[in-house]
Amino acid sequence: GIQVEQSPPDLILQEGANSTLRCNFSDSVNNLQWFHQNPWGQLINLFYIPSGTKQNGRLSATTVATERYSLLYISSSQTTDSGVYFCAVERDGGATNKLIFGTGTLLAVQP
Amino acid sequence: SQTIHQWPATLVQPVGSPLSLECTVEGTSNPNLYWYRQAAGRGLQLLFYSVGIGQISSEVPQNLSASRPQDRQFILSSKKLLLSDSGFYLCAWSLRTSGRATPHEQYFGPGTRLTVT
Repeated sequence: GIQVEQSPPDLILQEGANSTLRCNFSDSVNNLQWFHQNPWGQLINLFYIPSGTKQNGRLSATTVATERYSLLYISSSQTTDSGVYFCAVERDGGATNKLIFGTGTLLAVQP
Repeated sequence: SQTIHQWPATLVQPVGSPLSLECTVEGTSNPNLYWYRQAAGRGLQLLFYSVGIGQISSEVPQNLSASRPQDRQFILSSKKLLLSDSGFYLCAWSLRTSGRATPHEQYFGPGTRLTVT
């Protein structure tokens, strides 16, 4: 099956710093989503981005499907950005939207 | 707008007891529905998915089963819980995908934290 790897596994930032999270996947995909899991466990949708670039406030994401990776940028980080960030993909050719999750990046933003 | 509900929020059950977790979606029709489990650590694993009433596909062999008695209701069950069933269970939904069309975005519920003692 498709493999999804995220890096770094853990990241500690000072408030106000910028960061880049990476997601590599081993096969062609037709669906890629970024999520933020808050300390209460809720998975919050950040981006639906099978290809291209999107921005939402301090967050932006880029997926280069031909090179099988996606990047999540966090600028001017805040303590509320802390939590686990997941990348999830569906292999190209699937029709049931079955997401395969990476193991996540645990982000801690310190005041 | 669409919302997804799960209950209970937390549950502590003894080994060997039955389990029933419920998930309902509001504001949409004919959704795809999914059950995921997140064990200690971070990974989420797809357990079951459903494209319609009574249509359930299992992704991994396990002690659990799923049912979809109504269009927007998805239930996760077990007859006898094991210690290894402990974890965080998340229900999700997406719009139905037709043929080879690009899949739709998936949305998650608040989850049920299950502890088997």
